[in-house]
Parts: sequence; C-alpha cells; structure tokens
Amino acid sequence: DAKTTQPPSMDCAEGRAANLPCNHSTISGNEYVYWYRQIHSQGPQYIIHGLKNNETNEMASLIITEDRKSSTLILPHATLRDTAVYYCIVRPPMEYGNKLVFGAGTILRVKS
Amino acid sequence: EPEVTQTPSHQVTQMGQEVILRCVPISNHLYFYWYRQILGQKVEFLVSFYNNEISEKSEIFDDQFSVERPDGSNFTLKIRSTKLEDSAMYFCASIGTGRSPLHFGNGTRLTVT
Repeated sequence: DAKTTQPPSMDCAEGRAANLPCNHSTISGNEYVYWYRQIHSQGPQYIIHGLKNNETNEMASLIITEDRKSSTLILPHATLRDTAVYYCIVRPPMEYGNKLVFGAGTILRVKS
Repeated sequence: EPEVTQTPSHQVTQMGQEVILRCVPISNHLYFYWYRQILGQKVEFLVSFYNNEISEKSEIFDDQFSVERPDGSNFTLKIRSTKLEDSAMYFCASIGTGRSPLHFGNGTRLTVT
C-alpha cells in the first residue's frame, strides 16, 4: 500500500470550512484515496473516496490534485461534532477485498 | 442504513481466560475483518475472511486468535488464552461487492485483568 502523510493536528473554528491535507506521492494508478474518521474511540466512519475526479457527498468534498500526489478533504461548515481523528488511506478498490491500513491520521479540533 | 453490530460493547476477563467477540456484519456483505486499537495507538489490522476462510492475517494474529462464521449472520473472534496486552478495542468490519467502502462496527472494549 502507498503511504500517506498527514499533519498530526489541526484546529478549525466552528462554522468555518475545515481543509485537511494529505500527501500520497507514491500512489499507484489503480489506488483510490479513502477518508475515514474516528470520533472518540468509536469505530472508524467512512467519509468519502475518489480516484481522479473531485468528489462530493453529504458529509464532505474531496479534492485530488491532477498528478494525484496529494488531496484535501473539505468539511464545508465544521461543527463541534466533527472533532475527530481523520485518516487518509490509499489502496486498490475495495472490491478486491484488500485491507485498509491506518496511519496516525490528523486530529481535528473544532472550537467554538 | 444497515450497520455492523458488535457485542458485547465492553468485556472484562481475567488473564488466561478465553473470550469470544461477536459481530453481525451487514447482510449480503462478503468480506469480513477484525481490527484492534490499543488505547492511544493506531487502528491495526488483524485478519480478513472471505468464503469461509482466512484471506489475510497480520503478525498480531497468532495461534491464540481464531475467527469463525458459525452461521449466515455472525462473525466471531476468539482469543484462547487472554494476556494483559490483549486489552484493546476490537472492531469488526465488512464490505460487499462493487466499490462500496468498508463499514465498521462500534467495537468491543476488551479489558484483561
């Protein structure tokens, strides 16, 4: 699995957009970028994933650079409940049954 | 929305005892996983299971661990003789077909005394 680099922690003001960066310079052509988060020792929660194009769902947006060597997860209007550890993971498509490998992630603190 | 459910939410056991952690994956999912997270550390992969057999396991998953899908709905992790260092959160996960993401349960906190 390709490795990712994330900042260890970030702060964000409530109501503002939270932009979480991730570097994955050794990503392979068939590897997707997945984002998960973990709120206070609960199970990791899926947020979004993408291959090349930018993606958006009800939780977040994912911006992937054209060379695919980095990406940014955007939470458009962060709330206190978004305080969590955010994990950026690259791997082949889930349909091949491959595991997710978690790194240390980014601790996002949303402050009022 | 379908969920992965795990029971119990918290289990306390004495060192040397056997424990079984239970999971009900999302119906019609095909791949099943166990992960663990020691307090303050990363989420670590233990084992993956497909078509009634282990497809991959980590170095952590030694002979003290076993997994089973005893019926069409449950997926279990057994630790034969628990050690203090087995104290952790254990997460079950499953995935279906296509490009859907891995779904995790909320875990079982295992405390070995």
